[in-house]
Amino acid sequence: DTAVSQTPKYLVTQMGNDKSIKCEQNLGHDTMYWYKQDSKKFLKIMFSYNNKELIINETVPNRFSPKSPDKAHLNLHINSLELGDSAVYFCASSQLDRSEKLFFGSGTQLSVL
Amino acid sequence: GIQVEQSPPDLILQEGANSTLRCNFSDSVNNLQWFHQNPWGQLINLFYIPSGTKQNGRLSATTVATERYSLLYISSSQTTDSGVYFCAVHGGANSKLTFGKGITLSVRP
Repeated sequence: DTAVSQTPKYLVTQMGNDKSIKCEQNLGHDTMYWYKQDSKKFLKIMFSYNNKELIINETVPNRFSPKSPDKAHLNLHINSLELGDSAVYFCASSQLDRSEKLFFGSGTQLSVL
Repeated sequence: GIQVEQSPPDLILQEGANSTLRCNFSDSVNNLQWFHQNPWGQLINLFYIPSGTKQNGRLSATTVATERYSLLYISSSQTTDSGVYFCAVHGGANSKLTFGKGITLSVRP
């Protein structure tokens, strides 16, 4: 019973391609997130959705587009991939009142060649 | 935005030793969490602790919100404790959880 699951775990692709990462949570949380972890392990939020509505949108290139079909799913689509997009992308979920723990998925390691 | 500083950046322990990891933050917080990222990359939530003290087995955490710091104690360390420990806070004018740069812990057998 994985609480936050994301697929795929590894993604290797060529520059210029378009790819998607899927995320699902079964915790009943109303808020989901995408985080990016760079090669120095620094974790930074990219997006946050509450009940399918975008509430946080950090300075992220327009090539990144999150989509939330329902509050249990948050997918990340990336257009025209660049070398600098190589990183580990984590999906997470919590309750909006911010008093709940943040739970992470297992991460997707994206390598752009 | 709120600043989060963790120290020390790296820590090497012999199995069985105790350690204290520190997290300082620059503003009042209403949410503070500690995470462990294991060598396989998985991020595990250890504690939600905006104030006070909590214990979970060999791990305990204390946050002194008025003095803007939190401490994570690891007792009788094991090799499985190796990894990166992150502190994350929410507070001030920020509307998001801000992570520190992490503390890399290596526990040697």
